[in-house]
Amino acid sequence: EVRLVQSGAAVKRPGESLRISCQGSGYNFNNYWIAWVRQMPGKGLEWMGIIFPGDSDTKYSPSFEGQVTISVDKSISTAYLQWRGLEASDTAMYYCATSRPPWGYYGMDVWGQGTTVTVSS
Amino acid sequence: DIQMTQSPSSLSASIGDRVTITCRASQTINNYLSWYQQIPGRAPKLLICSTSNLQSGVPPRFSGSGSGTDFALTITSLQPEDFGTYYCLQSYSPPWTFGQGTRLEI
Repeated sequence: EVRLVQSGAAVKRPGESLRISCQGSGYNFNNYWIAWVRQMPGKGLEWMGIIFPGDSDTKYSPSFEGQVTISVDKSISTAYLQWRGLEASDTAMYYCATSRPPWGYYGMDVWGQGTTVTVSS
Repeated sequence: DIQMTQSPSSLSASIGDRVTITCRASQTINNYLSWYQQIPGRAPKLLICSTSNLQSGVPPRFSGSGSGTDFALTITSLQPEDFGTYYCLQSYSPPWTFGQGTRLEI
């Protein structure tokens, strides 16, 4: 069974850094894209970016490029989403999801449970 | 970026009804269109990929259609568990983009 398990909720102050994680299991981690999706309170889904663990090829939405960093550690089948200086507007639920190749054909088929990030002074 | 225009934004229906949600892409997306259901407090769930391919375990009352820039999700014979918010997603060209969502109330 393909499964993604995300790290727990985080509460941070503005300006702090944060890295949340998404660990895959039940499949060849290197061969499936992993995407990150933001959902602000009461709002819709926003695609942030995607990474291919096999070669770390990464694509960002222009809305998020420069604001976050997506990375992977293949040795532990884990993808990361990182901020260097959080803002209150980063308060949201963040989901990771797999996407099987070929590129885009299957959409995002398995989702993590989500990580709540709260940024408040 | 490819824009996805989803309608309606909300929909109220009764058990047993047939409902249709549409998505229009701002340019052709080669049928790389998927549909998701999100129940409050839960992660989104993939229902249909590549326009019309039903995911394993998804009831056959869900179906997808369309081509080019116009796509639709149809639910026949609505059931109580079908409430929630539905999103379309184009995964043809990055950045992938979601529709605004359709809140389905039963």
